[in-house]
Amino acid sequence: GESVGLHLPTLSVQEGDNSIINCAYSNSASDYFIWYKQESGKGPQFIIDIRSNMDKRQGQRVTVLLNKTVKHLSLQIAATQPGDSAVYFCAETGAGNNRKLIWGLGTSLAVNP
Amino acid sequence: DGGITQSPKYLFRKEGQNVTLSCEQNLNHDAMYWYRQDPGQGLRLIYYSQIVNDFQKGDIAEGYSVSREKKESFPLTVTSAQKNPTAFYLCASSEVDTQYFGPGTRLTVL
Repeated sequence: GESVGLHLPTLSVQEGDNSIINCAYSNSASDYFIWYKQESGKGPQFIIDIRSNMDKRQGQRVTVLLNKTVKHLSLQIAATQPGDSAVYFCAETGAGNNRKLIWGLGTSLAVNP
Repeated sequence: DGGITQSPKYLFRKEGQNVTLSCEQNLNHDAMYWYRQDPGQGLRLIYYSQIVNDFQKGDIAEGYSVSREKKESFPLTVTSAQKNPTAFYLCASSEVDTQYFGPGTRLTVL
């Protein structure tokens, strides 16, 4: 299953399928991007990050893709499990001394058994 | 066991009262942050501190105050001037860019 972030805030997938969560970022000067997972009632948990000098980075069952041409970031989750159900946030950091994160609105992922 | 702790987990206050939320980290991070999250919403930055004895306003600082007297501590006070304080409050810390979050404090104004 695939979402388009702000336009489709809820993504529903079957257990075992691959999930793709998309994020459009705002600042072409941003040089650091990060994905967080937030379960209900808990703080956001770091998943994976990527710097602007890379196009792709892989972790355990997760891959982040960065397309700077169209300012697009995606998170791919392989073999989605019920424990992956959560809200996923992307964030970006601009260049310079001010390293504040600019947050997306989040995408809710629901995994159906 | 390194991490960020926030206390209390749940907090109730009456209108007109100030309340202070605790945030402590033992990660030896220089920077600390406070965010507010409303139901079904993203995170909004209240205050941040990049070094001890220095802090900056974020996007929604009105009605809040902070202090950074020690590297490991960054308490947030929600004052009576904050018109809609009921929310989930999250504290984070970072060394460079990656922010790590505490478990959050849910504040309810009665």
